[in-house]
Amino acid sequence: DAMVIQNPRYQVTQFGKPVTLSCSQTLNHNVMYWYQQKSSQAPKLLFHYYDKDFNNEADTPDNFQSRRPNTSFCFLDIRSPGLGDAAMYLCATSRASGNEQFFGPGTRLTVL
Amino acid sequence: AQKITQTQPGMFVQEKEAVTLDCTYDTSDPSYGLFWYKQPSSGEMIFLIYQGSYDQQNATEGRYSLNFQKARKSANLVISASQLGDSAMYFCAMTLGNEKLTFGTGTRLTIIP
Repeated sequence: DAMVIQNPRYQVTQFGKPVTLSCSQTLNHNVMYWYQQKSSQAPKLLFHYYDKDFNNEADTPDNFQSRRPNTSFCFLDIRSPGLGDAAMYLCATSRASGNEQFFGPGTRLTVL
Repeated sequence: AQKITQTQPGMFVQEKEAVTLDCTYDTSDPSYGLFWYKQPSSGEMIFLIYQGSYDQQNATEGRYSLNFQKARKSANLVISASQLGDSAMYFCAMTLGNEKLTFGTGTRLTIIP
């Protein structure tokens, strides 16, 4: 089945230790998104790629970076995780901007 | 800028009853899309239903229907014959043209057996 896959589902890291979250899709969608969702809040868009074009949200901290080496994969790098970065990180894809987005199962990040 | 408002932080509904989750939106753009997503405790966001601003009819998908009242700028989700598995967080969201998805704050629905 076509889907959005996120690995790992649960990630534990130490304060300040870089961490990478991965997302892959078999939908062949042009757009891939990364959201941060803290407890009992709505998802917050960090950035998105339209093909290879990177679009960063104005309020996304520099601590968060992303890479999209090909259509199928997108990575979220957190260079120096702080306690405030503990959250669920959701990857989503869509055929085009403005279309419905299909989400992966998320990666729950814990920072010790 | 567009805005989505969900005024019900939590709802408790008896199993098998219908439930309406409220959503209002604010935009001056005539072209927009409205979405509902379900988020169970596992965390995955599940797309439920979509309504385009120019759609003449209310969207329906199985037990889900969207009560779209354009003049009132409301896009309420109706779930018929609720089931225990419907217990989850529900988010209303909107996009303008090619812009990003803007989410409401969500409604936590609990179905009581």
